[in-house]
Amino acid sequence: DTAVSQTPKYLVTQMGNDKSIKCEQNLGHDTMYWYKQDSKKFLKIMFSYNNKELIINETVPNRFSPKSPDKAHLNLHINSLELGDSAVYFCASSQPGLAGEDEQFFGPGTRLTVL
Amino acid sequence: AQSVTQLGSHVSVSEGALVLLRCNYSSSVPPYLFWYVQYPNQGLQLLLKYTTGATLVKGINGFEAEFKKSETSFHLTKPSAHMSDAAEYFCAVSDGFNKFYFGSGTKLNVKP
Repeated sequence: DTAVSQTPKYLVTQMGNDKSIKCEQNLGHDTMYWYKQDSKKFLKIMFSYNNKELIINETVPNRFSPKSPDKAHLNLHINSLELGDSAVYFCASSQPGLAGEDEQFFGPGTRLTVL
Repeated sequence: AQSVTQLGSHVSVSEGALVLLRCNYSSSVPPYLFWYVQYPNQGLQLLLKYTTGATLVKGINGFEAEFKKSETSFHLTKPSAHMSDAAEYFCAVSDGFNKFYFGSGTKLNVKP
């Protein structure tokens, strides 16, 4: 069984369009994340939700809006797509330990290409 | 604030040779340190982690890493490289509050 799944795996779209990426985890974790990996492989956190509540919101354009309908799902909606949004987006989940020593489990990624 | 520096964006070794991937961190709190591996077109997979206790940590696929507080380092090693080890490796530090900071990655190439 896939622990963290994302759909779609590939997304090719035109500038100005709106698109969504979905993420689901079946690990029973309380915390989920969205990361952006650029063409140089640099991985940067965008958002984090804990039990459907937003806890981390990095400096991300407000064209990006995460939504967590329940703690097993975290979706990412992107409005008015720009060329610079082209990247691989990873979803991850974790179960925070008492000391924050939790590891993160990553999905397979969604490769977004904006033309 | 936490940050991670990985020295060497590309490392090339021969099959059977020692693998050494370097990671230095800065952290204002006792760090939790991780190494992840990313195979082409896949997500990140945990190799090993240091939280507390023994400073030499063993992970999957024969990898290990040693936490050296005095050097603020957490270098990843493997005694003998295998072709299947070719991948991108990421070092990460957790601030203990759900936030991870990743290094820029090191691409490991293994030559036959």
